Formats: sequence, structure tokens, C-alpha cells
Amino acid sequence: KAGVTQTPRYLIKTRGQQVTLSCSPISGHRSVSWYQQTPGQGLQFLFEYFSETQRNKGNFPGRFSGRQFSNSRSEMNVSTLELGDSALYLCASSLDAGWNEQFFGPGTRLTVL
Amino acid sequence: QKEVEQNSGPLSVPEGAIASLNCTYSDRVSQSFFWYRQYSGKSPELIMSIYSNGDKEDGRFTAQLNKASQYVSLLIRDSQPSDSATYLCAVKASGNTPLVFGKGTRLSVIA
Repeated sequence: KAGVTQTPRYLIKTRGQQVTLSCSPISGHRSVSWYQQTPGQGLQFLFEYFSETQRNKGNFPGRFSGRQFSNSRSEMNVSTLELGDSALYLCASSLDAGWNEQFFGPGTRLTVL
Repeated sequence: QKEVEQNSGPLSVPEGAIASLNCTYSDRVSQSFFWYRQYSGKSPELIMSIYSNGDKEDGRFTAQLNKASQYVSLLIRDSQPSDSATYLCAVKASGNTPLVFGKGTRLSVIA
């Protein structure tokens, strides 16, 4: 069974631009969560989607948004990029809403110049 | 603010020894506990989950949970250089709450 896939794997953007990251969960998994990982802050929760609805949202500004499609694929968008948005963005899929075990994709490394 | 605390390390152990990784959490209603392994430059990989007090063994890995003390640990027996990685502890309360991660403990197994 294929794992979680994320595209693109690497991105370089400049301040003020916007970016869209994509995540395809494991086949049959319907819940997708997004995390930001930085050396200083560790893994921080961004949001969780299930059945095209946002179930939870972390403590991030409104510049960070996401959505989920009917096939469970998810995208996250960051607008008006700041230098501090440089991070590894990880997507994790789980079988169902509230299902405990999450499986991570390889991540998207975003660099903001 | 729900917190998960881990010693950042590095924790250095000789090959063949037992590595002991510890994690404490602040939210008393936490119900699910996970250990992830993250190699440098890679994404986290789920290696253990535990939901009840006591020990849970899987191969060389044993997870230990003590809800009264709000403490969860991971033991790695017969440590190998390939176990060198950062180990992340993650905790979840009820169904509709997100996972909260610790910042991880870096383990170095010396051959």
C-alpha cells in the first residue's frame, strides 16, 4: 500500500509570496493533519481535516489555511510568506476522524528568502 | 497549554546497551501515547503506541505508561547504531483533539 505523498518536496519562495502544498493520504485514510516542524519549536499542529471539514486548528495566523477534497487529498496554503515560515511542512494521515495513529508523509521543505 | 516534555539529549549509549527515553505530559485527561522515530532529514515514523498503564513490548522496543505520574517511556534493548535518531513522544487526549508532540530526544548509539 502506498504511503502518504506530498508535493512538492522542496520549495524556495520570497517574502510576500504565497505557496500551496499538497498531500495525498494513504489509500482508505480519510483524515489529514498538517504540522510545521522547525528546529526551535519542534512539531506544531496546524490543522486537521476530515470529510472536507476542518476539525481542529492550531495556533497559527490566518495566513495559514487548508482544505480537503472529496477524495481525501488535502492542500494547505500560506499567503504573504514571512522569513519565519521557513520550515518542514508535514502531512499525516489517519484512518478516520479521531483515529489515534497517524502516518507521516516525507514533508515539504519550504525556504523563504 | 498542553505540554509534552522530553530531554533534548543527546543521549549516548554503547551498542548492545538499553536506551531509555522519557517523556512527561501535562494534560491529565490524555488517553493515547505514541513514540515516533525521526532520522535526520526524514519524516517521523510511528514505532509504538500505548493506551493502558503498564508495559507494551514490540520486538526490541518496550513502551511504559504510568498515567498517575503522567509519564511515558521507551526502552530500546540491544541498541544498534541504526537506532541513532531523534525520538518524539506524542500525546492525545480525547478523540477530537490533536496530537501534541514533545521536541524529541536525540539518541546516539556508539559502535
